Amino acid sequence: AQSVSQHNHHVILSEAASLELGCNYSYGGTVNLFWYVQYPGQHLQLLLKYFSGDPLVKGIKGFEAEFIKSKFSFNLRKPSVQWSDTAEYFCAVRAGTYKYIFGTGTRLKVLA
Amino acid sequence: DAGVIQSPRHEVTEMGQEVTLRCKPISGHNSLFWYRQTMMRGLELLIYFNNNVPIDDSGMPEDRFSAKMPNASFSTLKIQPSEPRDSAVYFCASSFMGTSTDTQYFGPGTRLTVL
Repeated sequence: AQSVSQHNHHVILSEAASLELGCNYSYGGTVNLFWYVQYPGQHLQLLLKYFSGDPLVKGIKGFEAEFIKSKFSFNLRKPSVQWSDTAEYFCAVRAGTYKYIFGTGTRLKVLA
Repeated sequence: DAGVIQSPRHEVTEMGQEVTLRCKPISGHNSLFWYRQTMMRGLELLIYFNNNVPIDDSGMPEDRFSAKMPNASFSTLKIQPSEPRDSAVYFCASSFMGTSTDTQYFGPGTRLTVL
């Protein structure tokens, strides 16, 4: 069955710490991969996306993600987090023509 | 571009009442999605429209839920009668399907509370 796993449900970091959020997917076909961010009380916003080409994808606000096909992973990284990065982060896989499978999300809290 | 527009942003109603949520997709997009977000179940796809036609409604919880898309710029999600377990945030998203790089863009959501 198609699925997306985000193993870290809650992450607490201090400002300037480095961030890596894990995302693993289960899907046998061609995948398109996404990271969305949801700030408190707001809607999901696209952070970055991968369709093909360079497996290292750069997004907004200094975030990047690396697609490792052999590991079925698409981990999100940021070298130095800020208090304003406090949010919930969702990994998603587009499986097939339209269906997005979302992970359960990782709540990140950055301490000032 | 105004993005995906949803109304109302917040809705509080009593059990048994009819609730109608509204969505205006991004102009030019041909696909529209309704999602429900809860703490317990995360983000669930309820229904997907392509060119105003419902393609996949397998995520609609039960007959109390219905969705329509009378034209390319408007969609509704109706719950009748509403129940407390329907309390959630309902998101509408749109995309332009037809390329290999289409991406869903989400609206601000409607926070529904059923008392």
